[in-house]
Formats: sequence, structure tokens, C-alpha cells
Amino acid sequence: DAKTTQPTSMDCAEGRAANLPCNHSTISGNEYVYWYRQIHSQGPQYIIHGLKNNETNEMASLIITEDRKSSTLILPHATLRDTAVYYCIVTKTSYDKVIFGPGTSLSVIP
Amino acid sequence: GAGVSQSPSNKVTEKGKDVELRCDPISGHTALYWYRQSLGQGLEFLIYFQGNSAPDKSGLPSDRFSAERTGGSVSTLTIQRTQQEDSAVYLCASSLEYATRNTEAFFGQGTRLTVV
Repeated sequence: DAKTTQPTSMDCAEGRAANLPCNHSTISGNEYVYWYRQIHSQGPQYIIHGLKNNETNEMASLIITEDRKSSTLILPHATLRDTAVYYCIVTKTSYDKVIFGPGTSLSVIP
Repeated sequence: GAGVSQSPSNKVTEKGKDVELRCDPISGHTALYWYRQSLGQGLEFLIYFQGNSAPDKSGLPSDRFSAERTGGSVSTLTIQRTQQEDSAVYLCASSLEYATRNTEAFFGQGTRLTVV
């Protein structure tokens, strides 16, 4: 019951934009969309989050559809170090119980 | 320290033994979470604390698992009579409780538990 669905895996060429989709069709009005990633053998790393407006930070951009039923994480210029599993979660607050699904395994290819 | 600290980083134990995993959250963070990740799996929620109380223990896999938090800071996850299926990476995270909803959880590097 992860509340989100993501593709199992994706490939991206180094230097190109990586666009990772996430469906969250049952999201409620007070739930945020958070993205984390986990590089092999490390703890999950926060990337970005948003409610309904698009967001951008030094790591990525988050595009949320107007109906909020889906979102896309964009890594504008993927590097080999971006190879990781990317988790999209929805939660009222980041300290609420969060349920991570299997995520998307992104492979950045030279 | 600046981040969430977990110890030990690696633990190998014999089946049937008890183990204790420790988490030091970021100073001032009153919310603390435990997750585990088995090989090739996603993150599995175990328990979270607000201060010293645990409103949600529903993720604990069995009564062999328990956790406590004292002083609103350090937390210990205890696994009694370990089984091979307990082998996993155990991750701890913390976040500010009083902050607005615009906050994120910070994760430690995890404890890799291997039961042999």
C-alpha cells in the first residue's frame, strides 16, 4: 500500500535530463509529494518535495500536474553519480509514517 | 554531530542471539523513525517516535522487535532471538517535529545486520 506507483527501472544517458514519473492518484489535499534517492549501500537522501506548485532546487526539479495525481522528478544533467533508486512518496508531513514503494532504479549510462 | 548517527555500522550475530541497534538523531529533532531494507527490497517502515512515545508500532514485524527512546534523543532498536530473516540494513531517520509540514527527514547510514 505504497500509494504511489513508479516504473521499476529506467536508463538515462550521461549529460541528458532524467525524467522520473510517479503516479499518486489517491493523494489528498494536505499531502505533499516527496522524493528521496538511495545510492547503493547508503541511507536514503532527500531530494525535493512539493504540494502543488512546481519546485526547483540545486539537485532537481519537481513538476506536479494540476490535478496532483502525478508528478515528475527531473534531474537536468544526469551524471554517473545519479545512479540510484529513486523513491516517490506522499505524506502529510515528513515525520508522519511514510511508506516507500520499490522505487525506480535509475541507471545513468556513459 | 551534524547528521543522524547509527551504530554499529555492521553487526554479525548468531541466530538466537539478541542485538541492539542505536540511533543518535540530529540534535533538536524530536521525531525519529526506524526502517529496514532487506536485500533488493524497498524501505520497510518499522516504528516512529514523537519525543519518547511511539504512536505507531504497526510496522514491527514480530514481538521479538522492540524500540525505545529516552530523553527525546537516542533510540535503541532491540531484536531478540534473531532469525536469519532479520538480516537487513536498519535505517534511522529524524526530523523536526514542530516545524511546518515543509520539512524533510534525514537518514543515517544504517546498520547492516547479518544473522548467521
